Amino acid sequence: AQSVSQHNHHVILSEAASLELGCNYSYGGTVNLFWYVQYPGQHLQLLLKYFSGDPLVKGIKGFEAEFIKSKFSFNLRKPSVQWSDTAEYFCAVTAYNNNDMRFGAGTRLTVKP
Amino acid sequence: DGGITQSPKYLFRKEGQNVTLSCEQNLNHDAMYWYRQDPGQGLRLIYYSQIVNDFQKGDIAEGYSVSREKKESFPLTVTSAQKNPTAFYLCASSTGGASNYGYTFGSGTRLTVV
Repeated sequence: AQSVSQHNHHVILSEAASLELGCNYSYGGTVNLFWYVQYPGQHLQLLLKYFSGDPLVKGIKGFEAEFIKSKFSFNLRKPSVQWSDTAEYFCAVTAYNNNDMRFGAGTRLTVKP
Repeated sequence: DGGITQSPKYLFRKEGQNVTLSCEQNLNHDAMYWYRQDPGQGLRLIYYSQIVNDFQKGDIAEGYSVSREKKESFPLTVTSAQKNPTAFYLCASSTGGASNYGYTFGSGTRLTVV
């Protein structure tokens, strides 16, 4: 089955700093890739997804991610973080034409005002 | 409003008891899933079901059981065989087939063994 690694367990940034969260997956075939966010006390929400086409995908709240097939990576980026971005971020993968999703361990982002 | 309802929000269980967590969706989604969330381990797949009356084990199915008698409902039973059941349990659903647009998640049930 597919698997996901997130390199950073906890990231602490000041407001306006740039963000990049690493995500690598392990699967030999075609994949669909996702980033989810969990704000304190809230549901998991979909930030963005990649299925095919342009490897640079844009999501909600100014987030984007780039799929680099040769590196099996799908890193999440934001040019300038805000205090309200404080949350836990999960990278996830499904094999193409398959619905069971595997998640990374998550990265906790703390943005200092 | 369409969504997923998990109940109860908090559940306490004595050691040796079975307990059932409820998950209901009104999104007309074919597929439903159960995950367990532990700090530092992310979400781990317990069971999933792509159609009624069919389900598959995920990565950590031991000590758990499920049923899918109706499209809307996918209850999870945590049995006494589960060695470390204290965790946060999340239910999700999605449209079936190749067009997986991501999951819709419920608000979770926090289970504590006392």
